[in-house]
Amino acid sequence: SQTIHQWPATLVQPVGSPLSLECTVEGTSNPNLYWYRQAAGRGLQLLFYSVGIGQISSEVPQNLSASRPQDRQFILSSKKLLLSDSGFYLCAWGGIQETQYFGPGTRLLVL
Amino acid sequence: DAKTTQPPSMDCAEGRAANLPCNHSTISGNEYVYWYRQIHSQGPQYIIHGLKNNETNEMASLIITEDRKSSTLILPHATLRDTAVYYCIVRVKRSNDYKLSFGAGTTVTVRA
Repeated sequence: SQTIHQWPATLVQPVGSPLSLECTVEGTSNPNLYWYRQAAGRGLQLLFYSVGIGQISSEVPQNLSASRPQDRQFILSSKKLLLSDSGFYLCAWGGIQETQYFGPGTRLLVL
Repeated sequence: DAKTTQPPSMDCAEGRAANLPCNHSTISGNEYVYWYRQIHSQGPQYIIHGLKNNETNEMASLIITEDRKSSTLILPHATLRDTAVYYCIVRVKRSNDYKLSFGAGTTVTVRA
């Protein structure tokens, strides 16, 4: 069966520091991969999606970037965090017929 | 994707069936109905999806009206662990628009 991992689970970072969040998927090949952000009490906002290695599409302009160095690895990065980058970051993978399955999430607090 | 309307909240007694309604009166013929839920502090969890036939899996049943303008998610025997926000989403199954648009959902509280 397929599983999706995210780490770290929680992160507290100072403004201006870099960020790297990692997501890996097991048990499937060539999945579509997604990064979403959920602000407190708000809905999910799609940040990036990837249909293959090295292929990244950005949904909204922002302070973040994404990379997909391997088939089942998706990384969310920032060179300098802003206060507004705080939130709950969710990675998801798209299965057959594009049902999306979410990871456990990383809760990021920028101070 | 078609817009959906759900009640903001509902309570359910533990052990009883929970029936969660969703209106999607502008749904088009190639749009599926998906249900997800999000338990506090966790990522959304896929529950079930369907096009026009009723569907059942180990988690829930999905009943779609004949005109497809509304649907009901049924949790047959609600437990305390089913307390969550439940989202009804309609979208084309394979689409170049990869975004899942979550609305406000229904906050379901299962009480002992």
